[in-house]
Amino acid sequence: KNEVEQSPQNLTAQEGEFITINCSYSVGISALHWLQQHPGGGIVSLFMLSSGKKKHGRLIATINIQEKHSSLHITASHPRDSAVYICAVHSRNQFYFGTGTSLTVIP
Amino acid sequence: KAGVTQTPRYLIKTRGQQVTLSCSPISGHRSVSWYQQTPGQGLQFLFEYFSETQRNKGNFPGRFSGRQFSNSRSEMNVSTLELGDSALYLCASSPLGNGDTQYFGPGTRLTVL
Repeated sequence: KNEVEQSPQNLTAQEGEFITINCSYSVGISALHWLQQHPGGGIVSLFMLSSGKKKHGRLIATINIQEKHSSLHITASHPRDSAVYICAVHSRNQFYFGTGTSLTVIP
Repeated sequence: KAGVTQTPRYLIKTRGQQVTLSCSPISGHRSVSWYQQTPGQGLQFLFEYFSETQRNKGNFPGRFSGRQFSNSRSEMNVSTLELGDSALYLCASSPLGNGDTQYFGPGTRLTVL
């Protein structure tokens, strides 16, 4: 049983396109995180959400607590956005992770 | 501030051996968490330490253990290594833990032969 489901698994986009990655979870959470992992392994935390919406540059993250769903949007995508994006939820005193969305942005 | 550091970065061991990995958190961060990442299982939570105490533990066998020192540095140990323990082991620190933003280290790539 997966506590966190992400879609799509793989995504290829042209530079400049609007991108949406979805995350659904099945447990009660205290927070939801979006992470970015570049080739080579380094992970960076993009957002931590417990309600509503957050924006940082071209990235927007939203969460709907009632529907247990979150989305990560990238506006005006750029090749440097190519990475794996991972959704993580904090529940029952630990983190549960989605399997990640591999994004490739083509110039 | 310096980021989270992990040593060593790469490690090759054989089955049955044990290994110790080290993590130095960002200065002032009291929570250190450990994660295992494999192609098959993705990222999985191992355990979290806060003020030298294990606060939470994921679903891993007792061969995986850890500790935290008074300066918040942490070590994790895996005994009786199995082939399936080959993975990227990531450490992350945060000021107070408990779901707070995690600051990840570069990871230790462990290969078990």
